Formats: sequence, C-alpha cells, structure tokens
Amino acid sequence: DAGVIQSPRHEVTEMGQEVTLRCKPISGHDYLFWYRQTMMRGLELLIYFNNNVPIDDSGMPEDRFSAKMPNASFSTLKIQPSEPRDSAVYFCASSLGTGSPLHFGNGTRLTVT
Amino acid sequence: LAKTTQPISMDSYEGQEVNITCSHNNIATNDYITWYQQFPSQGPRFIIQGYKTKVTNEVASLFIPADRKSSTLSLPRVSLSDTAVYYCLVAPGVTTDSWGKLQFGAGTQVVVTP
Repeated sequence: DAGVIQSPRHEVTEMGQEVTLRCKPISGHDYLFWYRQTMMRGLELLIYFNNNVPIDDSGMPEDRFSAKMPNASFSTLKIQPSEPRDSAVYFCASSLGTGSPLHFGNGTRLTVT
Repeated sequence: LAKTTQPISMDSYEGQEVNITCSHNNIATNDYITWYQQFPSQGPRFIIQGYKTKVTNEVASLFIPADRKSSTLSLPRVSLSDTAVYYCLVAPGVTTDSWGKLQFGAGTQVVVTP
C-alpha cells in the first residue's frame, strides 16, 4: 500500500488566494483526519470524517476553512481566502477506527505571503 | 478524552535506554494508550499502543502500571536516528463520536547524541 498520499507537498500563495489541499487515504480506512501543525500551536485536529461524513469540525479555525470528502478515496481542505497566519504544515491521516492507529501522510507545507 | 502530560525534552547518548513517562490521571476504563514518533518534515508515525501491563514490539516497549494513570515508553539502545518528537495519546477503546477527537499534546523532544 502506498500509504496516505497528500498533494501538493509545498504550496506558496499570496494572501487572498484560494488554496486547495488534497488527500488520498489508505484504501479501506473508514476514518479521515485533517491536522495542522505550527511551532506555536503544535498539532491541531481540524476535522475528521467517518465513512465520508464529517463528524467533528470544531477545530476548523473559521469559515474560511472548509473540508469535503466526496468519496472514500479523496478529501480536500480548502482555504478561501488564505491569510499569512494560515501558514503551517497540513497533515491528512486515515485509520480503520477504534483500536487502530492513525496513518499520516507527509503533509503539505503551506506558505501564505 | 483524558489529558496527557509528558516531559518537554530528554537528552540521551547513543546506546542508552530512553524512558519517557506520560501521565494520564483521568484515563477511563475503556481507554487505551498509544504512542507516536515524528521526525522533522514527516507526519507522526505509530509506534506502539497498549491497555495494561506490558507491550513490546520490534521498536519499543510500553509499560502500564495497574492503576493506568501513567505509562512509560521505553526505547532500548537508542541511535542518532531515534532523535524525534514522541507523543503520548489516550484514545477511547469503544466506538463513540469522540473516538476521532485524538489530540496530540506538545510531545517530548528526544535528542540522541554520539
């Protein structure tokens, strides 16, 4: 298995632009997570899905952030409009569920100038 | 979910054993303990998990006392490549809406030197 695949690996954009991060979970995993990591705040859970349905989005910072999972093999995290404070590494992870570990992708490093 | 507390950093020399203790005083009956390792520029990677007593795999051992209010991750004979951040998490052992709210704390930065 190729593991969790995220794209792009790096994204540099200007303030105000729309940014879309993509994730392909491990096949058969029912849970998908989006995390954000910064030096100041560490790893923060933004949202997670179970069977393509968003279960908890209380970690999404504000309305500029949205996440979708149109099918079991694809998810997107969108920021519109982006701001410099959104600069961080965004990780996607997937899991079989209770008792099973999370498998993380290699992340997308976002820089908003 | 139970909150965890672990040391901010630990230093070690190559070949030594490193033990990282995590406190989780409010752990619930069905909760289990899981540990992750993160290298720079990579996502966290699962190391080991357990419910009670001792668990060992090819990478580490996990010791959990009877009261389960703490756990200790043991890394035997560390090498330079074990330099990483180590996270302790407590997760529900039953499927609930809160299972996915897995929060990573600050972790423990382990630095191994020659």
